[in-house]
Amino acid sequence: AQSVSQHNHHVILSEAASLELGCNYSYGGTVNLFWYVQYPGQHLQLLLKYFSGDPLVKGIKGFEAEFIKSKFSFNLRKPSVQWSDTAEYFCAVNAYNNNDMRFGAGTRLTVKP
Amino acid sequence: GAVVSQHPSRVICKSGTSVKIECRSLDFQATTMFWYRQFPKQSLMLMATSNEGSKATYEQGVEKDKFLINHASLTLSTLTVTSAHPEDSSFYICSASQVNLRGYTFGSGTRLTVV
Repeated sequence: AQSVSQHNHHVILSEAASLELGCNYSYGGTVNLFWYVQYPGQHLQLLLKYFSGDPLVKGIKGFEAEFIKSKFSFNLRKPSVQWSDTAEYFCAVNAYNNNDMRFGAGTRLTVKP
Repeated sequence: GAVVSQHPSRVICKSGTSVKIECRSLDFQATTMFWYRQFPKQSLMLMATSNEGSKATYEQGVEKDKFLINHASLTLSTLTVTSAHPEDSSFYICSASQVNLRGYTFGSGTRLTVV
């Protein structure tokens, strides 16, 4: 079964700093990859997803993620964070032939104004 | 860290029967729980938000009489799929937030198959 690791539990940045959140998964086959964000008091929202094609995926709110198959990674990036990006971020994976989605433990991002 | 136990992980039921899925926070008090459903090859869809001691808030298009949500305690929320049909077959996952909305933890999900 696939599993997902998010190495950073809590990241604190100042506004305008660059962001990279790590996500690694363990599964040898074809996968679909997702990044979700959950703002305080709200439900999960999809930031971006990768199914196939260009491994550099652009999402909403200036986020992007790069799928590196050889490293089993799907790191999330943003060149310049804003205070409003303060939230919890989840990486998720499901195997191509298995729709059960597996989530990482999440990374809490705090952006200081 | 915070742990959410979701049970069962897989269930097969006959059409017309009801199935209960439990989502339990093991080491924290979950004031709010979210229930999601994943359709094949799509991202998660929020079904409902439940707050302890009050009625769940359902998203548009989700039948509240079919998907009964109970959040009777700070550590347990249940989703009951009533009179299940094959089109209810899906992956259901819960997420619990701690008091003061500090942190969210997902259950491991439930694969429901209705035959």
